[in-house]
Amino acid sequence: GESVGLHLPTLSVQEGDNSIINCAYSNSASDYFIWYKQESGKGPQFIIDIRSNMDKRQGQRVTVLLNKTVKHLSLQIAATQPGDSAVYFCAERLTFSDSWGKLQFGAGTQVVVTP
Amino acid sequence: DVKVTQSSRYLVKRTGEKVFLECVQDMDHENMFWYRQDPGLGLRLIYFSYDVKMKEKGDIPEGYSVSREKKERFSLILESASTNQTSMYLCASMVTGSQHFGDGTRLSIL
Repeated sequence: GESVGLHLPTLSVQEGDNSIINCAYSNSASDYFIWYKQESGKGPQFIIDIRSNMDKRQGQRVTVLLNKTVKHLSLQIAATQPGDSAVYFCAERLTFSDSWGKLQFGAGTQVVVTP
Repeated sequence: DVKVTQSSRYLVKRTGEKVFLECVQDMDHENMFWYRQDPGLGLRLIYFSYDVKMKEKGDIPEGYSVSREKKERFSLILESASTNQTSMYLCASMVTGSQHFGDGTRLSIL
């Protein structure tokens, strides 16, 4: 997983623009990935997931892209809104069939939406 | 929707106290997890449970224990709280691959 200092990487986005948040995952054997959003004072909230047999998955205003060759995951948010301001982090799991469901989390990116 | 409820949002305890953090889920999930979240370190797994009375150590179990007497409830116990256990504690329940989290307990040990 990623290792960052006390301050998270910050992405500043103007309201209405598209956001792209990146994540480098650590294990080539991981075959299931999740994006979470964490607002201040709240627990992480599931946004979207993708299995390794897919390259792209779309949800409502969000798209996740997976590049297994370089072990890279990205989250795209269309028409970013003030309510999208939060910390976003990715999580990977070694195998979807792992019944214990342990996840490894990235440190996260702070997204700040400006008017 | 999955509901994971942590009994306290904020808790202040003293060094040496025994502290209980409670978590309840309402979807009959088998797998439950306890994490702590610290700035710059992300989420770190303390313990998890895959069935009643079953538990496994995570990455940082030292100073903690857990209890799962009923399927819906997973408790984290700090046997003798220390200041380095001041943190945000998050409970999660697993459903079809992804984990769903409670809103966390911010614990301060004085």
